Amino acid sequence: QKEVEQNSGPLSVPEGAIASLNCTYSDRGSQSFFWYRQYSGKSPELIMSIYSNGDKEDGRFTAQLNKASQYVSLLIRDSQPSDSATYLCAVNAGNMLTFGGGTRLMVKP
Amino acid sequence: EAGVAQSPRYKIIEKRQSVAFWCNPISGHATLYWYQQILGQGPKLLIQFQNNGVVDDSQLPKDRFSAERLKGVDSTLKIQPAKLEDSAVYLCASSLVRLAGSTDTQYFGPGTRLTVL
Repeated sequence: QKEVEQNSGPLSVPEGAIASLNCTYSDRGSQSFFWYRQYSGKSPELIMSIYSNGDKEDGRFTAQLNKASQYVSLLIRDSQPSDSATYLCAVNAGNMLTFGGGTRLMVKP
Repeated sequence: EAGVAQSPRYKIIEKRQSVAFWCNPISGHATLYWYQQILGQGPKLLIQFQNNGVVDDSQLPKDRFSAERLKGVDSTLKIQPAKLEDSAVYLCASSLVRLAGSTDTQYFGPGTRLTVL
């Protein structure tokens, strides 16, 4: 069974701080890694994808991948109340995209 | 560009009844996915189509769930008979090409919220 694990949270950070979200996965054959944001009652939307070891930055978001440790993280700099949502880690191995349970992030003004 | 369309948005049924959901993917997207998302959990893939063929249905409860994608465009997902534990949001997603080995983005529809009483 391929597994993707996330701390369910909630992770509470003050406005302007850095939010750090973590994800581990079990399948060493995983090739592609994604972070989706899901607002309450809405569908997931892709915010970052990463395919090779290291960091990938896009605006206030940085995804980090360490395949040796089977670990993916998402950093959100200068967190805003509008970033409050559930963040889903998703991992692609073979035919299937497997999602973690999500981490709920709360950014307090 | 129009997004993934789903209907209905909400459905309430009693257990043992049947229900069907409809999905229209983004134009030109070959791959279509149905996910089940139970409250507080991440989406779980039920079935994946490439055009009108099934790529993966290993997590589809085939004794009660069925899905089809006629003509490689629209898709329907059916549950018959429904159980209480089927209460969830059913998400449809599409991507340009087959997911395996690709880096294609999946775009999600708004979902159908099913409540089974």
